Amino acid sequence: DQQVKQNSPSLSVQEGRISILNCDYTNSMFDYFLWYKKYPAEGPTFLISISSIKDKNEDGRFTVFLNKSAKHLSLHIVPSQPGDSAVYFCAASVSESGGSQGNLIFGKGTKLSVKP
Amino acid sequence: GAGVSQTPSNKVTEKGKYVELRCDPISGHTALYWYRQSLGQGPEFLIYFQGTGAADDSGLPNDRFFAVRPEGSVSTLKIQRTERGDSAVYLCASSSGETDTQYFGPGTRLTVL
Repeated sequence: DQQVKQNSPSLSVQEGRISILNCDYTNSMFDYFLWYKKYPAEGPTFLISISSIKDKNEDGRFTVFLNKSAKHLSLHIVPSQPGDSAVYFCAASVSESGGSQGNLIFGKGTKLSVKP
Repeated sequence: GAGVSQTPSNKVTEKGKYVELRCDPISGHTALYWYRQSLGQGPEFLIYFQGTGAADDSGLPNDRFFAVRPEGSVSTLKIQRTERGDSAVYLCASSSGETDTQYFGPGTRLTVL
């Protein structure tokens, strides 16, 4: 029973265009969400996060949107660059003290390919 | 500064053997996490330490898995009587506290033949 779902195993976009990666969750207790990026043979690298009290968080080219009523979040990358090609994992946690990441529940990942 | 390091990077063993995987967290980080990532899956939580104690070991799949962090820094994940299904990448992460970002190491790829 997957609590965090990334239904698109792969995504291909052209350099300079927008990449949109989607994530759905089922546990309404989740209140902190994160995106990690992973290159081959490396560990996941933290990208951006959002608390459930917000609906948007932006950091440079990366923006995460949260729709709590739909239990859906998305990561937008604008403009996409070839170096963004990696596997992107959505993760969620239930915090006890507000903002805590706790133990992360990950999706299966989406492999993004940005073509020059 | 130095990130999270894990040794060995690769470990091949035979079914039934015992293995130890080591994690060196970022200096000063009090929280340490172990995850396991199987092929085509996202990382799955195994155990979490706050200091020297295991704050949550609910993700350990069975009693063949055990982890220690005796001095609140380096941690060792121990797997007894390995099975082929234990083959995966074992990831370690650390953070400066429960509320902070988890930084991951490169992982140990365990292959059980």
